[in-house]
Amino acid sequence: VLTQSPSASASLGASVKLTCTLSSGHSTNAIAWHQQQPGKGPRHLMKVYSDGSHNRGDGIPDRFSGSSSGAERYLTISSLQSEDEADYYCQTWGTGIGVFGGGTRVTVL
Amino acid sequence: EVNLVESGGGLVNPGGSLRLSCAASGFMFSAYAMTWVRQAPGKGLEYVSSISSSGKYLYYADSVKGRFTISKDDAKKSVFLQMNSLRADDTAVYYCARSNSTVGGYYFDSWGRGTLVAVSS
Repeated sequence: VLTQSPSASASLGASVKLTCTLSSGHSTNAIAWHQQQPGKGPRHLMKVYSDGSHNRGDGIPDRFSGSSSGAERYLTISSLQSEDEADYYCQTWGTGIGVFGGGTRVTVL
Repeated sequence: EVNLVESGGGLVNPGGSLRLSCAASGFMFSAYAMTWVRQAPGKGLEYVSSISSSGKYLYYADSVKGRFTISKDDAKKSVFLQMNSLRADDTAVYYCARSNSTVGGYYFDSWGRGTLVAVSS
């Protein structure tokens, strides 16, 4: 249902854009993005809607933003910091059941 | 501040049982659905089970249906996961997550730190 690239990298201070692709039949779904730093539990970042709008979670800096295009949902991290090195998961839902993408590991160079 | 603390993990033999608990604080527990998510060693996140705020609606991943049972106790502000007939592939860190209701399901806006379940003889 959700497809993510396994890895992405960018330099300290640069930006990186992660993609989560919804399968056909789910292409209008909203999704949520979650971050998991090494050795820690996940943290909710934001919800991204099919119209491109997004709602950041409590305390999430505005360096993190969301957008959409068709069946793709994006997470853009600007001004990359070392603590942004983490796994990022997209998540959606259907008939009450949650679904996760495989995750994207972000490396800060 | 929302706080979720899982407990009850440990080492169990294949075929055995375990009951996980998640104690919640910092929000109106009875107003929220709750979800269990697991992560096998070195793997990604896997949905396990959700319970609606009322406790009336229960949802399970196919991989655990018929073996796991989710429940909640609003008075104790806790959600539970009873795990029976455990298998080696149930080995994972189990996270509980506060779940926000949206059209068609839930998204998870707060997470605990997890409890490790290891199934091995």
